[in-house]
Amino acid sequence: DTGVSQDPRHKITKRGQNVTFRCDPISEHNRLYWYRQTLGQGPEFLTYFQNEAQLEKSRLLSDRFSAERPKGSFSTLEIQRTEQGDSAMYLCASSLGTSGFPDNEQFFGPGTRLTVL
Amino acid sequence: AQSVTQLDSHVSVSEGTPVLLRCNYSSSYSPSLFWYVQHPNKGLQLLLKYTSAATLVKGINGFEAEFKKGETSFHLTKPSAHMSDAAEYFCVVKGYQKVTFGTGTKLQVIP
Repeated sequence: DTGVSQDPRHKITKRGQNVTFRCDPISEHNRLYWYRQTLGQGPEFLTYFQNEAQLEKSRLLSDRFSAERPKGSFSTLEIQRTEQGDSAMYLCASSLGTSGFPDNEQFFGPGTRLTVL
Repeated sequence: AQSVTQLDSHVSVSEGTPVLLRCNYSSSYSPSLFWYVQHPNKGLQLLLKYTSAATLVKGINGFEAEFKKGETSFHLTKPSAHMSDAAEYFCVVKGYQKVTFGTGTKLQVIP
């Protein structure tokens, strides 16, 4: 499968624990996005990388959240000291973009569903 | 500022009848506009996109959308609904380094 993959698909954790999610984009894609989707809502943009550079962060991304893309390929999203409000589906998407705007199609992964007890 | 409003949270149509899912947007830049579909327990899939070329955009599965700058709308249509179209649909606006999804419209198709 050459699509976007995410690991794990499901994560159950206790409040206060740290969790880390991984996203592997389509190999030639230089842009990578993280979103959060809660029940009944559309995905909310969290952050965006172009290659290894994190170019945009939403104010939703509190200081408990950190994302990296160290070699411009896979990315990790870490949530420290999880809270029940962090329970959501975390989506990753990748695209192939040239400098500037507009962007090309984003291909989405299946998501990681986080449940914080 | 950038926002997108999907005017209907639920739409119900009979199989074989037209589909209209409404989307209004605002953006400080000339935006790109997209429609995505999400079937239950499946990932988001792009239906179509507008990127300042033709204002009438054709997508997959017989869907199309018309960009109307004056009305700041990007409504999604299909002439004849199929049972397999039942899903949730998201209108998306992309400005400079910022992506905003609408809250979604759930389409129900009645046999």
